Amino acid sequence: DGGITQSPKYLFRKEGQNVTLSCEQNLNHDAMYWYRQDPGQGLRLIYYSQIVNDFQKGDIAEGYSVSREKKESFPLTVTSAQKNPTAFYLCASSLRGEPLSYNEQFFGPGTRLTVL
Amino acid sequence: KQEVTQIPAALSVPEGENLVLNCSFTDSAIYNLQWFRQDPGKGLTSLLLIQSSQREQTSGRLNASLDKSSGRSTLYIAASQPGDSATYLCAVKRGSQGNLIFGKGTKLSVKP
Repeated sequence: DGGITQSPKYLFRKEGQNVTLSCEQNLNHDAMYWYRQDPGQGLRLIYYSQIVNDFQKGDIAEGYSVSREKKESFPLTVTSAQKNPTAFYLCASSLRGEPLSYNEQFFGPGTRLTVL
Repeated sequence: KQEVTQIPAALSVPEGENLVLNCSFTDSAIYNLQWFRQDPGKGLTSLLLIQSSQREQTSGRLNASLDKSSGRSTLYIAASQPGDSATYLCAVKRGSQGNLIFGKGTKLSVKP
C-alpha cells in the first residue's frame, strides 16, 4: 500500500528540547517537502529536498534542521531555537523535482506538535 | 513575490447546490495549480492538478479552471453533499524551487 507516513501523530515537547518528526514514503518519489500549518494561515515551506544528500531552506527554516540520507526518508528536527514551534507539520513528496516538474505533490497525515 | 488568495474564507450552502470556490494569484508565471481538500486534523488530499498549459480539469463532480493571464482559478462543485464539507486549499507551483505557495483556504459547510 503506497503512501506517505508521518509519526508520531501527536507530539508534546518541553521548552528547550529538540524533537524529531518522521516522514517516510514508499512512492519512489525524488522530492520531499516539509510544511508548517498554523490556524488562519496557509501552509508555509520549511525545507525541501530534490535528491538524496541535498536539501534547501524554504521560507521559514530558522530553528529547524533536516537530513536526507535515504530516498524514502526526510526527518525534520525542531530545535530549541524555534521560538514558536506549536503547529501542525505536514510532509509531502512528488515524483520529480525541478526544473520542469509538472507532477502532483502528495501529503502525509501530519504531526501535531505542542510545546508545554 | 507570489501571493495566493482564496475568497470566501468560509461558505455554507444547502445540500444539492452547485458552488464555486475562487483562487487568485499575483504572478502568472506558474508551472501548475493544485486544488486540495483538508478535513479537520488531517493531511491534504489532492483533488485536481492543472498544468500551466491547460484550461481546466475534471474529476467526477469537480471541475477546476485556470486563467493564467488574469491570475485566477475556480473550483466548481456540482450537486454538493454533506460529505463535501471540508477546507479547500489552492496552491501554485513556484518554478525555481518546486514547492507550492498556498492560499489560506475556503472552509465549506454543506447542510443536509
